Parts: sequence; structure tokens; C-alpha cells
Amino acid sequence: QVQLVQSGAEVKKPGASVKVSCKASGYTFTSYAISWVRQAPGQGLEWMGWISGYNGNTNYAQKFQGRVTMTTDTSTSTAYMELRNLRSDDTAVYYCARWRPFSTSPYYFDYWGQGTLVTVSS
Amino acid sequence: DIQMTQSPSSLSASVGDRVTITCRASQSISSSLNWYQQKPGKAPKLLIYSASTLQSGVSSRFSGSGSGTDFTLTVSGLQPEDFAIYYCQQSYTVTFTFGPGTKVEIK
Repeated sequence: QVQLVQSGAEVKKPGASVKVSCKASGYTFTSYAISWVRQAPGQGLEWMGWISGYNGNTNYAQKFQGRVTMTTDTSTSTAYMELRNLRSDDTAVYYCARWRPFSTSPYYFDYWGQGTLVTVSS
Repeated sequence: DIQMTQSPSSLSASVGDRVTITCRASQSISSSLNWYQQKPGKAPKLLIYSASTLQSGVSSRFSGSGSGTDFTLTVSGLQPEDFAIYYCQQSYTVTFTFGPGTKVEIK
């Protein structure tokens, strides 16, 4: 069965960086992309960007460009999201989600990770 | 970027009610509209894609309609497990954007 398993909660100080992992199983990693979505406490869903599992191409939301880097390790079917120069308003649950790009099928996020809480506090 | 709005932001309903949530896009997105359900402390769950296609395993109580800029999610015969927050998402462009959400509460 398809699973996306994320790394554990993190506590970081302002100005630091965080790297969250998302390990995929149960499907061909290189046939899908991974999107990252975050949710601040009590707030809605915010799309951050995606990375192709096939060729590592990325597409970042303008809001995060210059501060986020998404990578993959196809040997372990793992995607990573690194966010730098953290601020208190980056405190959120970060989710990874799978979608299938560049196909004739519609695009949607059909499987999600369990979420990783990142707390930014001095 | 395409902006998404939803109405209402919250609603109260009783078990057995029929509930309708509206989502509007800032430009035409054809039928590239998905709906997700999120319960407290859980990841979102895909309910409907392409505006009206029910995701495998999702109850037929859920239905979606619309195209262009205006879309609706309907829950027919609300069940206790349906009290949650519902988000729409455009997938017309791969800079996916979500609506702000609609919270469905128990009356």
C-alpha cells in the first residue's frame, strides 16, 4: 500500500534551518512528484512547492523562493524539504503529498504524509 | 496566481442534513478542481477530483459539480464523521492553490 512517512517534530530557533523528510513506499517513486503543503496553527493549507521524483525538477511558490530547497534521493525513495532563515510564523505542520505530473490524468494529491510539526521559537 | 475563495467559512448543520459548500476561482480553471476533507490532527483526505469525480473509497454522500470559475461540494445526509473542514484546490496550474476552507460543525 502507498505510504508517505515523514520525519519527526522539530524545534528550531529563529534564523535556523529545518530539513523535513518524506519516505515513500508502495509505488514507483520516479513516476510521481511530491508536493509540500504547510498549515500554521488554526489556519488553512498553504502550497509550498513540488519536486519531480523523475528528474528532480522543482516549482516553488513565489512566497518561498530563495528560502526553500526541495530535493529527492531516488535510491531511498525519499523527498526532502529544507526551509532556511526560519521565523516564528514558519511554525506549522508540514505535509508531503503525492501527485502524478505530466500525464493525461488530472492532477490531485491522493496520498499524504502524516505531517511534521516544526516549531520556531527563541 | 489563481486565487480561490470559499463560502461560507463555517456552517452548522445537523445529522441528516444536506450541505452545500461553494468554491470560486479568480479565473477559469475548466474542471481542474479538487476537494479535500480534513479532521483535527489529521492530514487532508482527497474526496473529489476534476470537479465531480469521486475518489475511490469515498462515500457517495459526497458529490461535486461546476466548471469554469464556480464549483460546489454537496454532502447529502450528513453523518457524524463528516464534521470537518473542507478545502477546494485548483490544479489548472501546477502552482496549486487552496481555498481558505469551510468548517462544518454540529448544530
